[in-house]
Amino acid sequence: QVQLQESGPGLVKPSETLSLTCTVSGGSISSYYWSWIRQPPGKGLEWIGYIYYSGSTNYNPSLKSRVTISVDTSKNQFSLKLSSVTAADTAVYYCARARRGGSSHYYYYMDVWGKGTTVTVSS
Amino acid sequence: QSVLTQPPSASGTPGQRVTISCSGSSSNIGSNTVNWYQQLPGTAPKLLIYSNNQRPSGVPDRFSGSKSGTSASLAISGLQSEDEADYYCAAWDDSLNGHVVFGGGTKLTVL
Repeated sequence: QVQLQESGPGLVKPSETLSLTCTVSGGSISSYYWSWIRQPPGKGLEWIGYIYYSGSTNYNPSLKSRVTISVDTSKNQFSLKLSSVTAADTAVYYCARARRGGSSHYYYYMDVWGKGTTVTVSS
Repeated sequence: QSVLTQPPSASGTPGQRVTISCSGSSSNIGSNTVNWYQQLPGTAPKLLIYSNNQRPSGVPDRFSGSKSGTSASLAISGLQSEDEADYYCAAWDDSLNGHVVFGGGTKLTVL
């Protein structure tokens, strides 16, 4: 079955760029949407954005100016970059596979999740 | 402050039926389908219910979802101790070019 694994630095300095990669194993990255979600310590979930395997993206309006999600189909990976980070960006970051579609009632749900990786923003 | 509104906590005794509500608006729940995620302590979220009332393979039929207008509910019947977790509702929101919105989460305690 499909498995996702996040990787990247666990510590990032304020004002720098957070970079994470999600590696997809057990299946192809093609024909699906791929999302990033984060969870600050003791708080709820926040959707960051998605990328389709073809490269089209959609971001959370509150983060849009700082977020870039990209995909590398040859490596079965997709990545997250979040610029100008502050302590408020400290969180567990999850990658997930998403299903999207519908017409009159749109559906979008994340059916396979990685285990998450903790990123702390601190000098 | 989350776009979707959930009660912060809920509780029940083993065997009991509990429900968790999720309130939204016309741009999210009113227009699109609702999903529920279960997050056991220290683990990643898991898809519990999708498209309002569909269960992924492996999810017990004790879990059910419903939607009416701009609100949705998750029901858990025959409550078990292993159901103690955080539960989040989520939906696509049509505003601002479209994005996913979550509820703030409900911590379910099995007494």
